Amino acid sequence: GQQVMQIPQYQHVQEGEDFTTYCNSSTTLSNIQWYKQRPGGHPVFLIQLVKSGEVKKQKRLTFQFGEAKKNSSLHITATQTTDVGTYFCAGPRGNQFYFGTGTSLTVIP
Amino acid sequence: DAGVIQSPRHEVTEMGQEVTLRCKPISGHNSLFWYRQTMMRGLELLIYFNNNVPIDDSGMPEDRFSAKMPNASFSTLKIQPSEPRDSAVYFCASSHWWQETQYFGPGTRLLVL
Repeated sequence: GQQVMQIPQYQHVQEGEDFTTYCNSSTTLSNIQWYKQRPGGHPVFLIQLVKSGEVKKQKRLTFQFGEAKKNSSLHITATQTTDVGTYFCAGPRGNQFYFGTGTSLTVIP
Repeated sequence: DAGVIQSPRHEVTEMGQEVTLRCKPISGHNSLFWYRQTMMRGLELLIYFNNNVPIDDSGMPEDRFSAKMPNASFSTLKIQPSEPRDSAVYFCASSHWWQETQYFGPGTRLLVL
């Protein structure tokens, strides 16, 4: 079954509102990576977190890796129309690599 | 750097035909991944290679699918015979090492009629 789940599956926000997607793995991951896929495009790497409890920021985006290295979150402050797309978490465990189910974000101008 | 190159970008074929998708990874990358993306099943890892050797092919749907990497700069994903349910976008990605950042190609949109 699906190893890495993300919630919510879909999110519609008004431009300027905040947005958060949560990533939950059934197993511990060696690291957590986040990717963004624009409609009609391909996944593009955003960031990688390695340490338990790590927090990283990229402008309006804040990424967090859980203490148990099983969950992660991506928070966007004051969304803009350019944030539209699907956000995926991903990570390795053992010799396998898992992508999350993705959260599709729509930003209403 | 040209990035990951995939061909063809679009493929329309009839059920029963053989389909071959091609990928050229970024030069110097040691790992290559094949993914399939559909609305119903999301992004699925089919297989990945380290140093041209297949490591995990547990995602390959069935015997109709096969992947090869004869050298560090080329990989193929073959479907024979193709079926309508194989219609999807197939992505190839490469990375310096399999646990690290992946760079995706533009994908091949496959439609099997």
